Amino acid sequence: EVQLVESGGGLVQPGGSLRLSCAASGFTFSSYEMNWVRQAPGKGLEWVSYISSSGSTIYYADSVKGRFTISRDNAKNSLYLQMNSLRAEDTAVYYCARARYSYGLIYFDYWGQGTLVTVSS
Amino acid sequence: QLVLTQSPSASASLGASVKLTCTLSSGHSSYAIAWHQQQPEKGPRYLMKLNSDGSHSKGDGIPDRFSGSSSGAERYLTISSLQSEDEADYYCQTWGTGIRGVFGGGTKLTVL
Repeated sequence: EVQLVESGGGLVQPGGSLRLSCAASGFTFSSYEMNWVRQAPGKGLEWVSYISSSGSTIYYADSVKGRFTISRDNAKNSLYLQMNSLRAEDTAVYYCARARYSYGLIYFDYWGQGTLVTVSS
Repeated sequence: QLVLTQSPSASASLGASVKLTCTLSSGHSSYAIAWHQQQPEKGPRYLMKLNSDGSHSKGDGIPDRFSGSSSGAERYLTISSLQSEDEADYYCQTWGTGIRGVFGGGTKLTVL
């Protein structure tokens, strides 16, 4: 059974940093691309970042570029999101999502349960 | 610019059918999309990938009541024999070469 379990969320002050983790199990983690997607309170889903299976290709949404860093450790079956210079608008539940590729579409076929990040003084 | 447009809300009666729509922006009518369901207080769940020709492949354990179809720039999710647990937010999602991951604004489905 595929499982994605996020951790590391919490309350942080504006300008602060936080590192999220996603522990993967039930599949060969090193063979899959991974993503972070977030959801602000009462709002819709927003894609945040993508990393290829080897870690060689990375993309970010403009809203987080230069502040967030995605990474992975295939030996530990883990995905990470280092978040720096946090702003109030980064407050959201952060989900890790496994990606699949088919005929030009990258889509998310498994999701974690999410971890809440609150940026507030 | 690649944009997905969804109606904010929809409603249908228990046992009935409902068809949700996701519209691709101009110039992107050939794009495939994915549908995701988010029940209250839960993480999203992948429902299906839907191609421009209407062919689709569903996620693990997704009931036959869920189906997809396409027409031009429109991508549809049809849910038949509505059940109370189908009351949820439904999001369409695609991927672009510039903007990368793109989600529609979501449709909140109410089962009456």
